[in-house]
Amino acid sequence: QVQLQESGPGLVKPSQTLSLTCTVSGDSITSGDYYWSWIRQPPGKGLEWIGYIFFIGSTTYNPSLKSRLTMSVDTSKNQFSLKLTSVTAADTAVYYCARDSYLGIPFDSWGQGTLVTVSS
Amino acid sequence: QSVLTQPPSVSAAPGQTVTISCSGSSSNIGNNYISWFQQLPGTAPKVLIYDNNKRPSGIPDRFSGSKSGTSATLGITGLQTGDEADYYCGTWDSSLSDGPYVFGTGTKVTVL
Repeated sequence: QVQLQESGPGLVKPSQTLSLTCTVSGDSITSGDYYWSWIRQPPGKGLEWIGYIFFIGSTTYNPSLKSRLTMSVDTSKNQFSLKLTSVTAADTAVYYCARDSYLGIPFDSWGQGTLVTVSS
Repeated sequence: QSVLTQPPSVSAAPGQTVTISCSGSSSNIGNNYISWFQQLPGTAPKVLIYDNNKRPSGIPDRFSGSKSGTSATLGITGLQTGDEADYYCGTWDSSLSDGPYVFGTGTKVTVL
């Protein structure tokens, strides 16, 4: 059974870069059947899709975040990562990584989520 | 601000039925499959319905989904206290070439 686990700093200063990594176990990122996604949820608010990466490195980003966003994949570690630059308090959220099957069940597996707070 | 609109809350007594609506447009619901997600307090969302009306393995048939035009509906029959959660619809939005995946505004289900 696939498991996803987010990791990274829980506190980031305004204007700095938020960096998170998702480690996947129980499945290979290179299996080719899935997009590897990030989704966030500000405290007390709804879900926002950030974007996804395919194992060959191709990406699709939410247009609202595209100018500040970079995703990457490390197949040797079975990990994928997120970098969001120039953060503000509006980027404070629980960040989830998730597996998205483009031929089957969307977002069928999620990490537990990690809270990132943007504050000085 | 989400392009998919849901009622903020619905409530019913145990054993009863609730429906949650999700309203969108031709660029999202009207031309794409919709999914529904359940988020229990303090946990990650879980997919309940995909491709408008399909249930993943392990999801009870008390949960059902339908779509008509630019709207979709999630139904929960035989409501249980364990169904208290936030529910979100979601689908792709084709208004841009790399249309984002969009989630609904979310609906809190309360079991009275």
